[in-house]
Amino acid sequence: AQSVSQHNHHVILSEAASLELGCNYSYGGTVNLFWYVQYPGQHLQLLLKYFSGDPLVKGIKGFEAEFIKSKFSFNLRKPSVQWSDTAEYFCAVTSGGATNKLIFGTGTLLAVQP
Amino acid sequence: EPEVTQTPSHQVTQMGQEVILRCVPISNHLYFYWYRQILGQKVEFLVSFYNNEISEKSEIFDDQFSVERPDGSNFTLKIRSTKLEDSAMYFCASSEAGLANNEQFFGPGTRLTVL
Repeated sequence: AQSVSQHNHHVILSEAASLELGCNYSYGGTVNLFWYVQYPGQHLQLLLKYFSGDPLVKGIKGFEAEFIKSKFSFNLRKPSVQWSDTAEYFCAVTSGGATNKLIFGTGTLLAVQP
Repeated sequence: EPEVTQTPSHQVTQMGQEVILRCVPISNHLYFYWYRQILGQKVEFLVSFYNNEISEKSEIFDDQFSVERPDGSNFTLKIRSTKLEDSAMYFCASSEAGLANNEQFFGPGTRLTVL
């Protein structure tokens, strides 16, 4: 069965620090990869997604993620975080084929200190 | 910008009672989903719905659960006889199409508390 692992459950950074959140998935076939963000009191929003092509994808708000197939990873990065990036970040995957259900990781709570 | 809405934002109910959680998907979307997140756990897929029928459901989605699109705008999740373990945040989502690479747009969630 597919699964998604996010190893960092809680990350605390100071403003301007660089961010990397890990995401690993287990599935041998074609996958589509997503990062969603949930700001305090708000709904889940899509940050970025990867389907095919360039494995380095850029999303909103300066975030990017790199798909490394050999490592089954899709880590999220941002070179310089802001206080407004405080949120919970979810990695998710759908497999190719007929199903389109999202399989989520446990989420990473990011707190950025001013 | 169009968005998915959900009501109520918080529902408290007694064990054994029926609850209906409501969602209004984005108007031109054709695929609808329910997910839930028990406190401290992962967001889990419950069910997907297209063309007035369930297209996929998880093992969580047993006979106590049902979904319906009663009119052209609402999409509901009914739990017939709630259990304590149904306490969770329930998210509705919708997408334009049902391909695995389509973005799903999420609502703000309904927090269900079963006492």
